[in-house]
Amino acid sequence: GAVVSQHPSWVICKSGTSVKIECRSLDFQATTMFWYRQFPKQSLMLMATSNEGSKATYEQGVEKDKFLINHASLTLSTLTVTSAHPEDSSFYICSARDLRGQNEKLFFGSGTQLSVL
Amino acid sequence: SQKIEQNSEALNIQEGKTATLTCNYTNYSPAYLQWYRQDPGRGPVFLLLIRENEKEKRKERLKVTFDTTLKQSLFHITASQPADSATYLCALPYGSSNTGKLIFGQGTTLQVKP
Repeated sequence: GAVVSQHPSWVICKSGTSVKIECRSLDFQATTMFWYRQFPKQSLMLMATSNEGSKATYEQGVEKDKFLINHASLTLSTLTVTSAHPEDSSFYICSARDLRGQNEKLFFGSGTQLSVL
Repeated sequence: SQKIEQNSEALNIQEGKTATLTCNYTNYSPAYLQWYRQDPGRGPVFLLLIRENEKEKRKERLKVTFDTTLKQSLFHITASQPADSATYLCALPYGSSNTGKLIFGQGTTLQVKP
């Protein structure tokens, strides 16, 4: 099946710094990728839809200036958490659809655990 | 608003038994429903998709049913094994258009004891 690679797997940063998370589709092109956030023992919450070559669309309540998304190529989307604070500590997961096959299912990256001190 | 509910309590069963997980939804008529498996600290992995015109779908030891009248899906794992221990998430398409977005339930954690 299609593979989505996410990097880094975990990151610890100081409050006020920015953190960039990369999401790559390794063997397929993804015009659309999705970014989710998951707090412990809670469901995945959709943050935004990353669109190749255009602006991301954000879900209600998600600050677009806080979570910058760039989708510059058909295989790479990045999420930058700007001026991170302890409340941004969470598990961030990206996903994409492989439009070559049954395209309703999502392929997920392995996630990034962000801890802000 | 659209709502998905899964039993938040962990399900503990003995190896070899059948595990049955439930997913209920409200305010929604989805064209399909999906089930994913998530291991601790990992991203979800797709398991099965069932469409609104399908009553049942099988894949190896997995079986999913979809009752659009009851607005419920049941996920069964037969002959369960300790390796099946994980959190299982149901997911529905988000909104009416084919955007690819999914909304997830909170998941049910399954623990299979040897």
